[in-house]
Order: sequence, then C-alpha cells, then structure tokens
Amino acid sequence: QVQLQQWGAGLLTPSETLSLTCAVYGGSFSDYYWTWIRQPPGKGLEWIGEINHSGSANYHPSLKSRVTISIDTSKNQFSLKLSSLTAADTALYYCARSPRLITSSGAASYKLDYWSQGSLVTVSS
Amino acid sequence: EIVMTQSPATLSVSPGETATLTCRSSQSIRSNLAWYQQKPGQAPRLLIFGASTRPTTIPTRFSGSGSGTEFTLTISSLQSEDFAVYYCHQYNDWPRTFGQGTKVEVK
Repeated sequence: QVQLQQWGAGLLTPSETLSLTCAVYGGSFSDYYWTWIRQPPGKGLEWIGEINHSGSANYHPSLKSRVTISIDTSKNQFSLKLSSLTAADTALYYCARSPRLITSSGAASYKLDYWSQGSLVTVSS
Repeated sequence: EIVMTQSPATLSVSPGETATLTCRSSQSIRSNLAWYQQKPGQAPRLLIFGASTRPTTIPTRFSGSGSGTEFTLTISSLQSEDFAVYYCHQYNDWPRTFGQGTKVEVK
C-alpha cells in the first residue's frame, strides 16, 4: 500500500521560507512524478509544481520565482521550499503521486492517484 | 494557463437521485481530465482519469464523459457518502489546473 507522509513547520512569519518534506512508502519511486498542491482555507486546489526521479521539475508560473522542489531518491523523499511568504500563502499543503504517462511528446504526469493527508501552513506575524 | 470552470457551484440533490456536474476548459484538453472527490478534513480522492476511466476501487455509480472542452461527471443513485466537493483537473498542459469545485449537498 502506498503512503505519503509529510512534515514541516506549521506556523511561519511573513518573509520566511516554507519547507516541507514528503516521504513515500510502498511502490516504486522512480516511475512517477511527485507533486505539491495547496488549498487555502475554504477554497479550491492549486497546483504548485512537480518533479520526476531525474530531478526535472515543472512549476506554476505564478510561484516559479519563489518555489523549489527537490528530490532525494536515496530516501524516497521529495521537498518543497517556498520563499518570501505572505499571508496569501496560508494553506493546507498536500504532496501527491502522479504516474508517468508516455505520450508522443515524451513522458508526462497525469492523474494524482495517491495523496498525503496534508499539513496546514499558517503565515502570520 | 488553461482555466477550468465548474458548474454549478452547489448542487442540491436527494439521496437516490442522479447528480450531473460539468467542467469546461478554456481550450481543448482532449481527454486529459481527472475528477476528484473531497470530503471535509480529507485529502482529495481520484474518481476518474482520462475523462472516463474509473480506477478499480471506485464504485460504478461514478461515470465521466466528454472530450475537448466540455466534460461531465455523473453520480447515479447518490449515496450518503457521496455528498462532498468535486474537482476537475486538467493535465494536458502546464501548469496543471483545477476547477473551483462543485459542492454536492443534500436537498
């Protein structure tokens, strides 16, 4: 059974950097894209970015200047760093798995089939 | 960025009835669409991918259809556990984007 467990600081002040790590238990680690999604309180889902086992990452353009997703294949873990935090970054942050889909254009992520339970990050002075 | 628009925002349905949810994309995404269910305090759960493919663990009362820019999620014979928020998600292009959600509530 695949499980994703995440951890990181839950209360941060404006201008600080958010740091979350997601560990993957069960299943292969190399055949997937590893994704971060967030959900502001009472609102919808926002895709932050993803990374594959080779370290190739895609980011949401609105966050690209502040976000870094990295991967540690030796530990089956991947991480999110988001800098220059503001109150607008307050959200429930999820990590999720996306299988790799082979298309005519190459490999790509698609469905998000396993999710963590999420962790609330609050940005407040 | 591909904008995903879901309608209605809230759908009031009686148990046992059928719910029909719609998701439209701002440009064609072929069949590169997934649907998720989210209950309060829980992570989203994958219901449908490829616009119409249901994972083996998902009950057959959930079905998806559509391609291009218009998609539908149909929930037949609604059960009590189906009252939740539903999101569509396109993976045709980057950045991946979600609809704003449709809440299915008890009528």
